Amino acid sequence: KQEVTQIPAALSVPEGENLVLNCSFTDSAIYNLQWFRQDPGKGLTSLLLIQSSQREQTSGRLNASLDKSSGRSTLYIAASQPGDSATYLCAPGGSGSARQLTFGSGTQLTVLP
Amino acid sequence: EAGVAQSPRYKIIEKRQSVAFWCNPISGHATLYWYQQILGQGPKLLIQFQNNGVVDDSQLPKDRFSAERLKGVDSTLKIQPAKLEDSAVYLCASSSPPGNTIYFGEGSWLTVV
Repeated sequence: KQEVTQIPAALSVPEGENLVLNCSFTDSAIYNLQWFRQDPGKGLTSLLLIQSSQREQTSGRLNASLDKSSGRSTLYIAASQPGDSATYLCAPGGSGSARQLTFGSGTQLTVLP
Repeated sequence: EAGVAQSPRYKIIEKRQSVAFWCNPISGHATLYWYQQILGQGPKLLIQFQNNGVVDDSQLPKDRFSAERLKGVDSTLKIQPAKLEDSAVYLCASSSPPGNTIYFGEGSWLTVV
């Protein structure tokens, strides 16, 4: 059974800092890995999807890396802004036909102006 | 393109009562998911449909929860009878095909008192 851990659980940084969010998972037989953002009272928004054959994926100020063999992924946010404040969740997708996602509990990020 | 629609957004019921949530996925998405998210935790998959067939319902408490997806489009999730521990956000999501980017609705918030 896949287990996903996200560290830290909460993070508070001043505006402008570069930061790294960590995700580890126990079963390396994954199809892909997705990073999501969740604002309070809202659903999840997909940020990045990395296929198992890829090492990283970039979108704007966001860069996600994947080391499948060691069961780790990181989300790098450059030049953080107050609007980046949200909870960030990672979810590896299983290698079975259902590609089921298993979510971590997330990292709650606060960017202070 | 319209997103995933869910209703109702909020519901308060007494324990042992019943409740139903409705979801309309993104047009053309064959895969539909229902997740349960308890405060402070990541979403947990309850049931996954491919068209109108069930792909995975291993984590659905079948003694009280049921879900259907008639005609392979919109879906209903029912809880009967509700327990206090069912208080959570029920998130509907869709993708096409499984393993691609998943799009979430804003969720239905359930409080059982």
